[in-house]
Amino acid sequence: DAKTTQPPSMDCAEGRAANLPCNHSTISGNEYVYWYRQIHSQGPQYIIHGLKNNETNEMASLIITEDRKSSTLILPHATLRDTAVYYCIVRGAGGTSYGKLTFGQGTILTVHP
Amino acid sequence: DAGVIQSPRHEVTEMGQEVTLRCKPISGHDYLFWYRQTMMRGLELLIYFNNNVPIDDSGMPEDRFSAKMPNASFSTLKIQPSEPRDSAVYFCASTQWGRGNSPLHFGNGTRLTVT
Repeated sequence: DAKTTQPPSMDCAEGRAANLPCNHSTISGNEYVYWYRQIHSQGPQYIIHGLKNNETNEMASLIITEDRKSSTLILPHATLRDTAVYYCIVRGAGGTSYGKLTFGQGTILTVHP
Repeated sequence: DAGVIQSPRHEVTEMGQEVTLRCKPISGHDYLFWYRQTMMRGLELLIYFNNNVPIDDSGMPEDRFSAKMPNASFSTLKIQPSEPRDSAVYFCASTQWGRGNSPLHFGNGTRLTVT
């Protein structure tokens, strides 16, 4: 699976949008971009994923650049409960790499009052 | 949907003892994964199963670790004998085949402390 690069930490004011970047310049054509987050002492929580189109769900939006070498996770109105470690992961859709989510160090997002 | 259920939530044991961690995946999911998380190494995949059969155990650190999945609703991760360096949070996750892009659903983990 392609490696990803994320900033180690970011801050955001409560109520503002949080934009978390991720670089995945070696991504292959059949690899998806996934975002998970981990709140202290809990298991990783799935947020969103996409292949090449932008995606939106009730939690967040995912913007993938046209060349697919980078993406941005957007939390439109951050709350204090969004404080967590956010992981950007690139994952193949089949073969022996299936399921092999490889977690990097992620971005620690701190939402301030 | 109760989610992925792991037990116990916390386990404290002495070096040399056998430890068994348990996992109940989400009903209908046919892939099950065991991860380990430490401060030094982050989240590491240990092993995963498809339809109760181990597919990739290359992440299992050594022979002291073993995992089984006797049926679709239960899996165990066993460490025998345990060592202090095994102290970590162990997560179980499951997902459903059919769509290669299906997300993994994680349990809340078992925090293991080996003294």
